[in-house]
Amino acid sequence: GEDVEQSLFLSVREGDSSVINCTYTDSSSTYLYWYKQEPGAGLQLLTYIFSNMDMKQDQRLTVLLNKKDKHLSLRIADTQTGDSAIYFCAEFLDSSYKLIFGSGTRLLVRP
Amino acid sequence: GAVVSQHPSRVICKSGTSVKIECRSLDFQATTMFWYRQFPKKSLMLMATSNEGSKATYEQGVEKDKFLINHASLTLSTLTVTSAHPEDSSFYICSARDLLTSLDPTDTQYFGPGTRLTVL
Repeated sequence: GEDVEQSLFLSVREGDSSVINCTYTDSSSTYLYWYKQEPGAGLQLLTYIFSNMDMKQDQRLTVLLNKKDKHLSLRIADTQTGDSAIYFCAEFLDSSYKLIFGSGTRLLVRP
Repeated sequence: GAVVSQHPSRVICKSGTSVKIECRSLDFQATTMFWYRQFPKKSLMLMATSNEGSKATYEQGVEKDKFLINHASLTLSTLTVTSAHPEDSSFYICSARDLLTSLDPTDTQYFGPGTRLTVL
């Protein structure tokens, strides 16, 4: 079955790095995504990684993919208070065009 | 980037009434729209996939007579919660796929801002 799991909560100090982890089950997913949700708002696509890549860097964001272990992580460098939000990883199912979301990780950035 | 709007952003209704939520793609055509439900501190649960001009496909456990979905045009899909009850209170989010760029991984789905439904 399809299942995506994340830790529920992460607290970091402003300026530190944040690492949010995700595990997924469908090895056939072509793309894996990270979304950000601010309070009371919809989802904003942050970044994505193609399944044949190990790493992708986009400014302060670094995505690491371990396909063997089906483990995905998002690293945010120099975390700012504006980064406080819920972060969802999602896997894209090619067969149905569906996105399967993890439970979301609430990131709290302390001043 | 493409914009998806939802209306209303927030609605409060009495138990037993029906509520309609609209999802619009503002600057692109969307052959497919998705409806999600988000519970507090929980993930997004896909409710149904709405294809323009055809019946929606509902996920297992979602009552199609309870959650009526209509996708009459390439820019509009509606979700009607019929005979709403307090347990239907939730955050409903729609997303839409761009017809022209549907193969682009960054444009797979654009999300609306969500609708907060509270049933008293």
